[in-house]
Amino acid sequence: DAGITQSPRHKVTETGTPVTLRCHQTENHRYMYWYRQDPGHGLRLIHYSYGVKDTDKGEVSDGYSVSRSKTEDFLLTLESATSSQTSVYFCATGTSTDTQYFGPGTRLTVL
Amino acid sequence: AQSVTQLDSQVPVFEEAPVELRCNYSSSVSVYLFWYVQYPNQGLQLLLKYLSGSTLVKGINGFEAEFNKSQTSFHLRKPSVHISDTAEYFCAVSDSGAGGTSYGKLTFGQGTILTVHP
Repeated sequence: DAGITQSPRHKVTETGTPVTLRCHQTENHRYMYWYRQDPGHGLRLIHYSYGVKDTDKGEVSDGYSVSRSKTEDFLLTLESATSSQTSVYFCATGTSTDTQYFGPGTRLTVL
Repeated sequence: AQSVTQLDSQVPVFEEAPVELRCNYSSSVSVYLFWYVQYPNQGLQLLLKYLSGSTLVKGINGFEAEFNKSQTSFHLRKPSVHISDTAEYFCAVSDSGAGGTSYGKLTFGQGTILTVHP
């Protein structure tokens, strides 16, 4: 457990609205990641960060953006939410590239 | 690019029986391999990982896994399961960064739901 919190833990929103999910860590880990979990797909990487203001796209980045202005916070934004973005979102952090610690997840429903 | 295939989507087993959860991967570079467990409505917890060295890796809660490079497999085993082992298990791979920077990005399999019956 790397002291990872995610907020909100649950959110229901409507199609077309912007949504921001927050990941906060207290361990000063360099690496941070956003994944989404969908049945039958396991977890898929959306975006990741390897330092403050250093981010890059993952496997399923379309429709998502991220920002990391401080070591401890990694924000995921859905610019205009769609029903296909209904999912459980997990944040993860790591001090190195060989271990990741996962947060408790955010369940997002887009109506 | 890497991929991971978990060969069983569901595995039912009786308490105290042995279990094997199968994982195959593909990659053109050297890899790190991981098994994570997810209990209902929780995040993922690392069970064990293979980075290098001995191909038999021991993890938490009595689980172990064997890395087989020739068969590109990383199967998870436990000799005697408990009711509390009921959960979803994920195999994952990342490239080890050889010759470049991987940033530790994980590629996951689809998951295997292990159900332990009394």
